[in-house]
Amino acid sequence: DTGVSQNPRHKITKRGQNVTFRCDPISEHNRLYWYRQTLGQGPEFLTYFQNEAQLEKSRLLSDRFSAERPKGSFSTLEIQRTEQGDSAMYLCASSLEGRPADTQYFGPGTRLTVL
Amino acid sequence: AQSVTQPDIHITVSEGASLELRCNYSYGATPYLFWYVQSPGQGLQLLLKYFSGDTLVQGIKGFEAEFKRSQSSFNLRKPSVHWSDAAEYFCAVGRPGNTGKLIFGQGTTLQVKP
Repeated sequence: DTGVSQNPRHKITKRGQNVTFRCDPISEHNRLYWYRQTLGQGPEFLTYFQNEAQLEKSRLLSDRFSAERPKGSFSTLEIQRTEQGDSAMYLCASSLEGRPADTQYFGPGTRLTVL
Repeated sequence: AQSVTQPDIHITVSEGASLELRCNYSYGATPYLFWYVQSPGQGLQLLLKYFSGDTLVQGIKGFEAEFKRSQSSFNLRKPSVHWSDAAEYFCAVGRPGNTGKLIFGQGTTLQVKP
């Protein structure tokens, strides 16, 4: 078990550019989550995959954001036309569907700074 | 709507002293409850969780938490704090039957004095 990994760990970009983050979940975990965390706040849910299907999206996920999980393995989160308000830590978590509930394990996060 | 409140934004304790971090939730039924810890610039590490059964839950690093339904609380405790416990602590709630999405509190920053 190597844990959840995320790349890159840090990303600095200029406003208007597109960025893409990658998350590799714990192997055999079929659920994958993306959260966003701004300074001084707790993480906020963005979206959730079960295998390759994206089953839930938060209203926080504007049309500039898109997430994929091809083949139900790694996931990517793309932000198009970045804005300064997108600056945050983007956290990925994975879990194995369980009863009565899942336990989510988090990666180290990708810190995005939009200049 | 579900919500999680951590009333204390910042707490300072002396090394060796006991610790209690408060967490209150708003939900119509018994949720699933979690405590995570986050060191600066890092992701979240699970300390403990409550799904059902014994309301006193033991976790890693000597932490425990008690679920009190009547108070809608899930407070985190440690009898003797170590300097390495300095970090940010998050309480989170998940809904039974839900996809597993977690709702987090704002967090409590713990500072440990030598």
